[in-house]
Amino acid sequence: QSALTQPASVSGSPGHSITISCTGTSSDVGGYNYVSWYQQHPGKAPKLMIYEVSNRPSGVSNRFSGSKSGNTASLTISGLQAEDEADYYCSSYTSSSTWVFGGGTKLTVL
Amino acid sequence: EVQLVQSGAEVKKPRESLKISCKGSGYSFTSYWIGWVRQMPGKGLEWMGIIYPGDSDTRYSPSFQGQVTISADESISTAYLQWSSLKASDTAMYYCARTDTIMITEPGPADYWGQGTLVTVSS
Repeated sequence: QSALTQPASVSGSPGHSITISCTGTSSDVGGYNYVSWYQQHPGKAPKLMIYEVSNRPSGVSNRFSGSKSGNTASLTISGLQAEDEADYYCSSYTSSSTWVFGGGTKLTVL
Repeated sequence: EVQLVQSGAEVKKPRESLKISCKGSGYSFTSYWIGWVRQMPGKGLEWMGIIYPGDSDTRYSPSFQGQVTISADESISTAYLQWSSLKASDTAMYYCARTDTIMITEPGPADYWGQGTLVTVSS
């Protein structure tokens, strides 16, 4: 299975919003409502930010939201803050009963 | 408090074997999956495979099938990732992560992660 497709980088100014896309196929993103998003700061383990397309784990800011349309999922971060600068990865359950990650997106807060 | 504690960094030579570990605590070890994720230097996350310690159901990503072995010992709440013959291209950070079950029998997203084990393979 191929990695999901994410833009390599996105940027935004503090207080603004950004959206990161994650494109797969009908065998993963499009076929299941099991898309997750992870945040990873340099040298740290990933952190779950969104699960099941749009749900936030306890403790995750409501500035983070997720959605899906067809084979493309999206993560939106509103009210950008300096601490949001990190790498973001989408992940989807697949028809092979495994999971696959996207290639990752580096978010720069200008 | 849920914790996953991984074994320490390893430096090995090509063709050597290796087994790294991930010890879970603070939850019922046999009721959640433990997965392994590779991150090569400067690169993204790669889902390697996963095991359900309760019944040893094990799944591998096609890219890693036959390259590694995932196992678990429920008596000591520990999961393992092992190689029989390391290559330089196995140099990476390896994370373990816990997942709940979705759709009755399938592994879900990773909610808790270990701190990572750095494996360096060099002659």
